[in-house]
Amino acid sequence: QSVLTQPPSVSGAPGQRVTISCTGSSSNIGAGYDVHWYQQLPGTAPKLLIYGNSNRPSGVPDRFSGSKSGTSASLAITGLQAEDEADYYCQSYDSSLSGLFGGGTKLTVL
Amino acid sequence: EVQLVESGGGLVQPGGSLRLSCAASGFTFSSYWMHWVRQAPGKGLVWVSRINSDGSSTSYADSVKGRFTISRDNAKNTLYLQMNSLRAEDTAVYYCARGGFYGDYEVWGQGTLVTVSS
Repeated sequence: QSVLTQPPSVSGAPGQRVTISCTGSSSNIGAGYDVHWYQQLPGTAPKLLIYGNSNRPSGVPDRFSGSKSGTSASLAITGLQAEDEADYYCQSYDSSLSGLFGGGTKLTVL
Repeated sequence: EVQLVESGGGLVQPGGSLRLSCAASGFTFSSYWMHWVRQAPGKGLVWVSRINSDGSSTSYADSVKGRFTISRDNAKNTLYLQMNSLRAEDTAVYYCARGGFYGDYEVWGQGTLVTVSS
């Protein structure tokens, strides 16, 4: 069980908005460490989607957005597309466990 | 083009050793922290180890501490992971990634599969 908790799965129809939560604790997200998000398409390496809680790397569509509050963070995807079907991971740092990933969330586009 | 290419994976018996390599190109390798992240079949991502830009500082996940050693050769633009006393639970795809001290893995390799089995 990961220290960063994500829902195992979420789903939405094309065009809809979905959110993925990432819940931590006072030793990681709540301690002020940034949260980053990754997208992993089937059979491929992860790709950085959001860094520093809410920043998008060049080339990432603005349909993807991130936020952080207290001991939690969220990834929102608007205008859902079939190509968004993938696994999504949050990542932060923990003062006792160093690098830290969430357990991952499988997004299904209905 | 910024690129990381892992190599060295394969099948190894429990208790055996393996050394993974990660060749970097397209950026100033010696300026960046580097990390190893692994993913067991059908499972999530797990951070394994990190090393600072000149190799003087390293950290490990508890699950590999004392068995794995991360190192780098900045002259060869290559990152390494020496894995000893391998266990079945070390079976995974191993990715090298460029990132800061706290993560933010902005560049990833394609991964190399390590299978520990008799």
